[in-house]
This record gives sequence, structure tokens and C-alpha cells, in this order.
Amino acid sequence: DIQMTQSPSTLSASVGDRVTITCRASQSISTWLAWYQQKPGKAPKLLIYKASSLESGVPSRFSGSGSGTEFTLTISSLQPDDFATYYCQQYDSYSWTFGQGTKVEIK
Amino acid sequence: QVRLQESGPGLVKPSQTLSLTCTVSGGSISSASYYWSWIRQPAGKGLEWIGRIYTSGSISYNPSLKSRVTISFDTSKNQFSLKLSSVTAADTAVYYCARGVAGTYFDYWGQGTLVTVSS
Repeated sequence: DIQMTQSPSTLSASVGDRVTITCRASQSISTWLAWYQQKPGKAPKLLIYKASSLESGVPSRFSGSGSGTEFTLTISSLQPDDFATYYCQQYDSYSWTFGQGTKVEIK
Repeated sequence: QVRLQESGPGLVKPSQTLSLTCTVSGGSISSASYYWSWIRQPAGKGLEWIGRIYTSGSISYNPSLKSRVTISFDTSKNQFSLKLSSVTAADTAVYYCARGVAGTYFDYWGQGTLVTVSS
């Protein structure tokens, strides 16, 4: 299986901050990566697919980049609605896997 | 608007089989563009992909669960189902069904259903 490792596990930030979350794959996955946002008690919500394509309806302050084994999710100016847990997911291989999650907390 | 809704028992005894159904509305489960998956999340933990089924009948499972998982379609009801056998407390989780776009990322999710394995 391809392992996905996110960092940091927890991130404390303030409204207006620029936030970057990293996801590393155990082997190259080209750009076959998605990012999701999950709030407590809710299903994950798709933010980014194919590493850098913004899902329809997602605010433009979210952006994704990377290829191969290293990827980033950036929130350009953190808003109150953005405090949540973020997951990356690879879909390069036969067996799909998620990162362990990054919780974005209020500082 | 596509909607997915999980249903099934919320409590399953150890060693028994967990059975869940996902009902899809607002779109056909037979569409050639989509895969249909089950994903689970233990309390306070991350997401684990369980398996997927395609309209052609092609099925793939997470290797770590493959020996215990069965996913199937009921196209007449626009549903797909999950069966997980020989469950233990480690299978206690919120179970989600989701639509995968052309076998890639998940664009629509059900709200999730909590299944507890306990005697």
C-alpha cells in the first residue's frame, strides 16, 4: 500500500493567517491526490482534486500544489469556518489511502 | 443534487456480520462515470477506505479487509451494500458511503452511520 503522511498533526493558527499543510506519499503518485475538509460529526468535503484543481464552490483561498511524493494544501487567509480537520487521499494505486489528518485549531 | 444515505443496524455482536446499505438519489448508480465506495472512521481517528464497486461489476477491496468484505449492487433500487464478516470491537466506526469520480476522488458522501460492535 502507498502510505500517506501528513504534517503537522495539529496546527494552531489565528484568523487571517496563511496556513500550509503537507502530505507526503511513500512512493510517487504523480498528481493523483485529493484534499478534504472534515468538521466534527460531518462527512468529509472535497476541496481539491488532481493535486491542484479546486472543486466547484470551494473558496479560492484554498489551493493545492505538488506532484510525485510531496504535496501541500494552503489556506491563504484562514477564516472562522476553516477550523476543521484536513485529510489528503491518494488514488494512484489499486488501494486508496488517506493521510492521518491535520487538525487546524484556533490559536 | 446527488444524495447518499447509509442505513443498517447500529449495533452488531462480535463475530457476526455487519450489513449496511447505501441508497443513492438524484443520480443513477449505473452511470458509467462513477465508482461507489465504503469508507470508515473510528471515533477520533482517520479515514480508512474499505472498498469500491463499479457499474461493470468490477470490485476492489482494501487488502487489509479483503478476506471479510463483500460489496454488491442492487441497481433496481439504486443501492449498493457492504457486508463485513467476523466483526470485532476494532470494527466499531462511523461508516460512510461515497461516490468516486472515475475511480479517483470522492465528490459526494453520505452523512455516515455509527456501527458499534458489542455484546
